[in-house]
Amino acid sequence: QVQLQQWGAGLLKPSETLSLTCGVSGGSFSGTYWTWIRQLPGKGLEWIGEITSGGSTNLNRSLKSRLKMSVDTSKNHISLNLSSVTAADTAVYYCARRRIGFFSAMDVWGQGTTVTISS
Amino acid sequence: EIVLTQSPRTLSLSPGERATLSCRANQNVDSNYLAWYQQKPGQAPRLLIYAGSTRATGIPDRFRGSGSGTDFTLTVTRLEPEDFAVFYCHQYGDSPRTFGPGTKVDIK
Repeated sequence: QVQLQQWGAGLLKPSETLSLTCGVSGGSFSGTYWTWIRQLPGKGLEWIGEITSGGSTNLNRSLKSRLKMSVDTSKNHISLNLSSVTAADTAVYYCARRRIGFFSAMDVWGQGTTVTISS
Repeated sequence: EIVLTQSPRTLSLSPGERATLSCRANQNVDSNYLAWYQQKPGQAPRLLIYAGSTRATGIPDRFRGSGSGTDFTLTVTRLEPEDFAVFYCHQYGDSPRTFGPGTKVDIK
């Protein structure tokens, strides 16, 4: 059974770079869109972007200029970097799996990482 | 960008009652790429329905998804105590993928 475990810094200052990693265990790393989503405080869900195991990305245009996603297939890790953060980036960040094909949606989620941007 | 609107924003019902949640899009959504999620406080969202009407693994058959075009519905035929939560619709056929603002189903 696939499990996603997230880690990364939870408190940042404005202008710093947010860095999160999502580790995949118990299942296949390939054939999947690895997705990042965030949830602003008390608000709904925002799709950040997705990356395949081959490194192809599809990023939310609203964040694209500050966003970098990468994969490390040797470690089964997916990483998210968001530069020049502001208070508006304060949110719970999730990684999730969406398998390629069969109209699959995001069916396995990480536990979430609370990131606070404050001076 | 496909904007999803959900109604009502809050639904107050009793266990055993039927819940009908609406999700409307500002342009056509391929029903093969419409999903519903349930989220409880402090937890990650849980996939209920994908491809418009297919229940995810382990989801009981009281959860039913339907609709096409710009109008989609999640029906919970008989609410159990553990069903009270926030429900989100989500389209993943167009980029950027988007979510509705959510419907909170609480206990009356």
